[in-house]
Amino acid sequence: QQQVKQSPQSLIVQKGGISIINCAYENTAFDYFPWYQQFPGKGPALLIAIRPDVSEKKEGRFTISFNKSAKQFSLHIMDSQPGDSATYFCAAFSSNDYKLSFGAGTTVTVRA
Amino acid sequence: NAGVTQTPKFQVLKTGQSMTLQCAQDMNHNSMYWYRQDPGMGLRLIYYSASEGTTDKGEVPNGYNVSRLNKREFSLRLESAAPSQTSVYFCASSFDLNTEAFFGQGTRLTVV
Repeated sequence: QQQVKQSPQSLIVQKGGISIINCAYENTAFDYFPWYQQFPGKGPALLIAIRPDVSEKKEGRFTISFNKSAKQFSLHIMDSQPGDSATYFCAAFSSNDYKLSFGAGTTVTVRA
Repeated sequence: NAGVTQTPKFQVLKTGQSMTLQCAQDMNHNSMYWYRQDPGMGLRLIYYSASEGTTDKGEVPNGYNVSRLNKREFSLRLESAAPSQTSVYFCASSFDLNTEAFFGQGTRLTVV
């Protein structure tokens, strides 16, 4: 049973558009929420992360929005580029047991 | 700078065969992990080693064993491979259990 639910499974966006990926969790012990980016044939790499005391974090074209009361968080990719085409995983970490739980992943395709 | 190196990159096994997946990191990290990645499931933790000399079960340990050979190396063994173990396996390492994990490039294993 997945502790982090991620949607959509895949999305296609035009170059310059906005990609939005949503995640939800139930376990209130989670206290760190990273996003990973994975290119074909490669391992996941940390993209951006947020702690629950912050509602938004922005790094370049990537923004995490966090809603603690709803137990939801999302990744926005602004001005999407073909090089952003990858699989994105949300995750949630609990410092109680040091376990990292991953969402199922979203494959993003940016059309030129 | 190699980071996390996994061998082999690809492997085909027959049901019942055994094999060991090798992982080595050169970042002087204390903690190491083995994950499996399956479509629609994200990454699931098989085993981890918080520090040299310790290993612990993750979310899906059945059918696997691990050895933390030294600080650099963490191997995953399948004693009697089953088709359900067909997956992409990722090794990762981090300075400790509370810090960012860096992933290897994966081993694609097919059990027929």
